[in-house]
Order: sequence, then structure tokens, then C-alpha cells
Amino acid sequence: ETGVTQSPTHLIKTRGQQVTLRCSSQSGHNTVSWYQQALGQGPQFIFQYYREEENGRGNFPPRFSGLQFPNYSSELNVNALELDDSALYLCASSSKGSSGASSYNEQFFGPGTRLTVL
Amino acid sequence: AQSVSQHNHHVILSEAASLELGCNYSYGGTVNLFWYVQYPGQHLQLLLKYFSGDPLVKGIKGFEAEFIKSKFSFNLRKPSVQWSDTAEYFCAVTAFSGGYNKLIFGAGTRLAVHP
Repeated sequence: ETGVTQSPTHLIKTRGQQVTLRCSSQSGHNTVSWYQQALGQGPQFIFQYYREEENGRGNFPPRFSGLQFPNYSSELNVNALELDDSALYLCASSSKGSSGASSYNEQFFGPGTRLTVL
Repeated sequence: AQSVSQHNHHVILSEAASLELGCNYSYGGTVNLFWYVQYPGQHLQLLLKYFSGDPLVKGIKGFEAEFIKSKFSFNLRKPSVQWSDTAEYFCAVTAFSGGYNKLIFGAGTRLAVHP
């Protein structure tokens, strides 16, 4: 167990709907990254949040958005769901220190939320 | 652009067989390399990591990996697999960009170990 929790575990939505996924980071961690893992693929970076702001973004459209709260927990929101959004969504927390991005801080993954879009 | 390539998508072995999973990366700068494992129904777990120093890295559960800079490779090995090693294995590299770092994963290798 990593101390990173995600909810819900599973979710079924229909095309066009909106979804919110939640992540609680490990104690002491201030950075949350979100990844999408489609069936048969490795996780793909969606975005990262640090100090309640989006810190970096992968190749995902604007209908993927997020939030980070003062307690460092985070939400991933996806609007106008498409069939291809069906995937396992992973949250990873880490601790970004004063040394900045040039030093890597290990990311600890949660169990994921399995989203199915019908 | 950075990328990670895992050559074997599915591997089937008998218990006690030796394992080697291939991983090649494409990245021009300093790399940090990782192997993660995802057991059925469980979260992604770090097996081992390479930042610098000795290119032969020991991880948990008897796994090791060798970083060969000239070949841009970071292959995972285990001398004798067990049934409990059945899982999906992901190679990953960190990419630093614009003030943040992210993990770039390969497509994964699904390992099945038969008793």
C-alpha cells in the first residue's frame, strides 16, 4: 500500500456525460500527477498539479481538467466523455522540494479508477 | 520526443526459468530509469530504479536491471521466476520539461508463470 487512495474504484458513464475522479495523496506529498492507462497500454501522463496549480500537461485535450486542494488532494474532471476515454485512471503523489523539477522525486501510485464509457 | 519501447508484449515461462525483459528508451538528456510491476488487481509498484552510479541495479523480489548507456537499454532480469511473479511489467523513464517531471512508460510486458 502506498497511502494514495482513489475513488471511486469503478465507474460506468455514457458518451457525452461528465465525470469527476478523486485522489488523496500520501501524507507529506504536495504534488499529484494523473495518468491514463488504456487497455493493453502503459500509463500516459495527463497532467500534474503542484501548489494547487497545473504544473505540466501531456497530450490531452482541454476537456480533461483538474484541481488540487489545499490539503493536496486532487480531482480529475473529464467533460463530453468519448468511448476512447474508457481506461484506468491513475493518480500518483510525490513531494516536490526546493530543488525543483531537476531532481526526481519518486511517484507513488494509487489503485486507480476504472472508467467505462458506453 | 522521449519514448520507451518494450519488445515483448507477452511472455510465458515455467517456474524456475530465467527472465529477461527488454526495454529501450529514446531521450537525449540525463535519464532516470524505472521498472514498475502491476500484479493482478493491485496498484503499480516500483521494482527498481536507476539514477546514477553502478549500472547494475538490484530491486525487490530478486529482480535486477542493467543500464547500458550505449544501447539506450535498461533490461530487467530475474534468474529464477516464481508463479507469484505473474504480473504486468512496465519500463519507464523520467522526462524533465518546463519545471516539472513526468514518467513516460512503455506499453508493458505481460508475464505469465506456470507452475
